[in-house]
Amino acid sequence: IAGITQAPTSQILAAGRRMTLRCTQDMRHNAMYWYRQDLGLGLRLIHYSNTAGTTGKGEVPDGYSVSRANTDDFPLTLASAVPSQTSVYFCASSMGQGRNEQFFGPGTRLTVL
Amino acid sequence: KQEVTQIPAALSVPEGENLVLNCSFTDSAIYNLQWFRQDPGKGLTSLLLIQSSQREQTSGRLNASLDKSSGRSTLYIAASQPGDSATYLCAVKDDYKLSFGAGTTVTVRA
Repeated sequence: IAGITQAPTSQILAAGRRMTLRCTQDMRHNAMYWYRQDLGLGLRLIHYSNTAGTTGKGEVPDGYSVSRANTDDFPLTLASAVPSQTSVYFCASSMGQGRNEQFFGPGTRLTVL
Repeated sequence: KQEVTQIPAALSVPEGENLVLNCSFTDSAIYNLQWFRQDPGKGLTSLLLIQSSQREQTSGRLNASLDKSSGRSTLYIAASQPGDSATYLCAVKDDYKLSFGAGTTVTVRA
């Protein structure tokens, strides 16, 4: 059982390019999340999904989009990357909202030049 | 807006000493509080989850307390080891997201 996998592990991207970060979980969790982690700012929620077919905006959603076509996958897309999107991106999941524990993937380190 | 603060930002102790990490939050309307460990360049590993109705939670050498009314949690790590060196993050859960503190970076000296 892998838990949560993310791809790629790291990526260097030219500004203006489109990029999709992949996230897959095998725990049959209903809720999934995308966070970014920046030095001095901590972890901040970008988007979330309570269940397949639904998504919601977090604290810092601008410049990002997500989709949730099925339970297992929750891709994060940067339509036109900018240098301020240089960060480490973490995908997470939980059984549901409310009282459930969140589990995190290994992260994707993205550099936008 | 929920604000989560962790003090101290960094801590260095000799092996065998007990560790005390503090976390405070401004809005007591939370579902739960999670403590995580993060090693350099790695993801977050969940250590303990305390529901809002609980006062404490234990796992091995780790014990976490929660005082929701005063907006405080403390993580105790007994008999620290060099392998405990990492950054420890606390996070509180509201309706749909975790709000994180900046973390306490712990170094345990052999």
